[in-house]
Amino acid sequence: ETGVTQTPRHLVMGMTNKKSLKCEQHLGHNAMYWYKQSAKKPLELMFVYSLEERVENNSVPSRFSPECPNSSHLFLHLHTLQPEDSALYLCASSQARDSYNEQFFGPGTRLTVL
Amino acid sequence: GESVGLHLPTLSVQEGDNSIINCAYSNSASDYFIWYKQESGKGPQFIIDIRSNMDKRQGQRVTVLLNKTVKHLSLQIAATQPGDSAVYFCAENIVAAGNKLTFGGGTRVLVKP
Repeated sequence: ETGVTQTPRHLVMGMTNKKSLKCEQHLGHNAMYWYKQSAKKPLELMFVYSLEERVENNSVPSRFSPECPNSSHLFLHLHTLQPEDSALYLCASSQARDSYNEQFFGPGTRLTVL
Repeated sequence: GESVGLHLPTLSVQEGDNSIINCAYSNSASDYFIWYKQESGKGPQFIIDIRSNMDKRQGQRVTVLLNKTVKHLSLQIAATQPGDSAVYFCAENIVAAGNKLTFGGGTRVLVKP
């Protein structure tokens, strides 16, 4: 266990559905990240939050909407997704982002968009 | 059309032998290089890192070598065990960019008993 949990572990949704992915870290970290791991590309960063403030949006389409209500929780709200959005969505956290800090990953949510 | 998956190079290793996994990186401004291990159904797990001003670092059964001249990174696993079967990723970190990781494509290691 890395101290980062994600729910659900598996999600199947239609293109017109709205769903949310949840991440929780129990490490007391101040920075949280969303990554996408697809079959066609290497693991790629989507969003970064530091102290609950979004500090990076890596050119992600607006159908993905992150939310960080506090330093322990991170959500990824999904709506009107496309089949090519099917992937493993990984959450990570680190102590901070102003210096080198190890990132701890959750187990991911396997998303399938029909 | 048929979707094509990311082709992962595969390293088949006999149990007990040493494994060497290679990675080419692109950014000479990277401050740290990190190796992650990802087992089936799990997220990436930190193995070892090396700062850019070093050329070798050893951990428990693992050694990372950094050659900045040719922008090459390698991970050596001694006495490979069945539990080492996984996908291994190298990642670059630039501190000034906010602790951001850029991952390589990964290598699958299969340990044969």
